[in-house]
Amino acid sequence: DSGVTQTPKHLITATGQRVTLRCSPRSGDLSVYWYQQSLDQGLQFLIQYYNGEERAKGNILERFSAQQFPDLHSELNLSSLELGDSALYFCASSVGSGLFYEQYFGPGTRLTVT
Amino acid sequence: QQQVKQSPQSLIVQKGGISIINCAYENTAFDYFPWYQQFPGKGPALLIAIRPDVSEKKEGRFTISFNKSAKQFSLHIMDSQPGDSATYFCAGSTSGTYKYIFGTGTRLKVLA
Repeated sequence: DSGVTQTPKHLITATGQRVTLRCSPRSGDLSVYWYQQSLDQGLQFLIQYYNGEERAKGNILERFSAQQFPDLHSELNLSSLELGDSALYFCASSVGSGLFYEQYFGPGTRLTVT
Repeated sequence: QQQVKQSPQSLIVQKGGISIINCAYENTAFDYFPWYQQFPGKGPALLIAIRPDVSEKKEGRFTISFNKSAKQFSLHIMDSQPGDSATYFCAGSTSGTYKYIFGTGTRLKVLA
């Protein structure tokens, strides 16, 4: 158990809908990262927050947004969902914001868009 | 230029054998190369990582070999065990970018 929690575990929704995925980092970790894992694209970095501020952006679509709250939990919002958004979404956390801080991954949220 | 190419896609090894997974990168600015292990239903977990100033790093049965001139690095699992059966991801990253570029993963199965 990495200490990172993600809810919900599974989510099934229809195209065009909006969902929110939630992540609680390990105690003491200030950085939160979001990743998307799909069969055809592999594991792709979406976005990183450090202590409430956006720090890095990856291949995140404009329909997706994220934020990190004062209590350091983070939410990933996915809107106007398409079939291709079906994937596993992972949150990871680390103590600091830097390349060499180990990222601890949560168990993921499996999103299915029908 | 951001890609990390990983091979093979899947690998079957007998118990006690050596598992070898290869990765190649294009971005010469990469200066950190972690390997992650992912079991079914779980998130990836850091296994071992290397910086390009060394050619090899060993931790227990796991060894990373790094060839900077060829822009390649590989993971060797010695004395492979059924408990090593998992998906392995290599990645590359550059100081200051905060983001990892992952390979496509290798599904390893170690037969008992």
